[in-house]
Amino acid sequence: IAGITQAPTSQILAAGRRMTLRCTQDMRHNAMYWYRQDLGLGLRLIHYSNTAGTTGKGEVPDGYSVSRANTDDFPLTLASAVPSQTSVYFCASSALGGAGEQFFGPGTRLTVL
Amino acid sequence: DQQVKQNSPSLSVQEGRISILNCDYTNSMFDYFLWYKKYPAEGPTFLISISSIKDKNEDGRFTVFLNKSAKHLSLHIVPSQPGDSAVYFCAARPHYGGSQGNLIFGKGTKLSVKP
Repeated sequence: IAGITQAPTSQILAAGRRMTLRCTQDMRHNAMYWYRQDLGLGLRLIHYSNTAGTTGKGEVPDGYSVSRANTDDFPLTLASAVPSQTSVYFCASSALGGAGEQFFGPGTRLTVL
Repeated sequence: DQQVKQNSPSLSVQEGRISILNCDYTNSMFDYFLWYKKYPAEGPTFLISISSIKDKNEDGRFTVFLNKSAKHLSLHIVPSQPGDSAVYFCAARPHYGGSQGNLIFGKGTKLSVKP
């Protein structure tokens, strides 16, 4: 593994189903993030974690939950998916200090029908 | 209310010419500004950053200018190449007292460089 990996690459999901998007980084970064990207809306922060064991809400947290049991993994769960959660989801990580540059994974394209 | 604004959804430039991507912000508490580049079906990649105490940062063909009085920054790409065609996101990091906030992204500008 080099950098950040996300799984699955894409998924079609029926409304009401539960789904977990996986994210793993091998850079030993303290902070991790989940964003969704929608046309015309840019990147919007869903949840973040500044260090293992802590999480926080971003701009659009409703309908999503996260956990940070260790440094490397930061899964995002949709408890009961709705069509408005159709989007491309990006996981990112960053080290503390510096300019705060974040490194992004390749994304998961999720379609909720 | 948008704190980081990229008012041009798209920009088209001829190969070899200069591309200028603009970004405006409203919050004086940002301490760093960053530019990201995103190709289709890939995650954004970090391009260049600038500290709020500087007015220019250069890295090869990419230069970022910061005008704090106007709350405006711009990314210049010279010369532009077809491979630069991508969506460019401006981002800013808030700094409150002794703690850093999360990056705030603009909505992006799609750059097309024509051969």
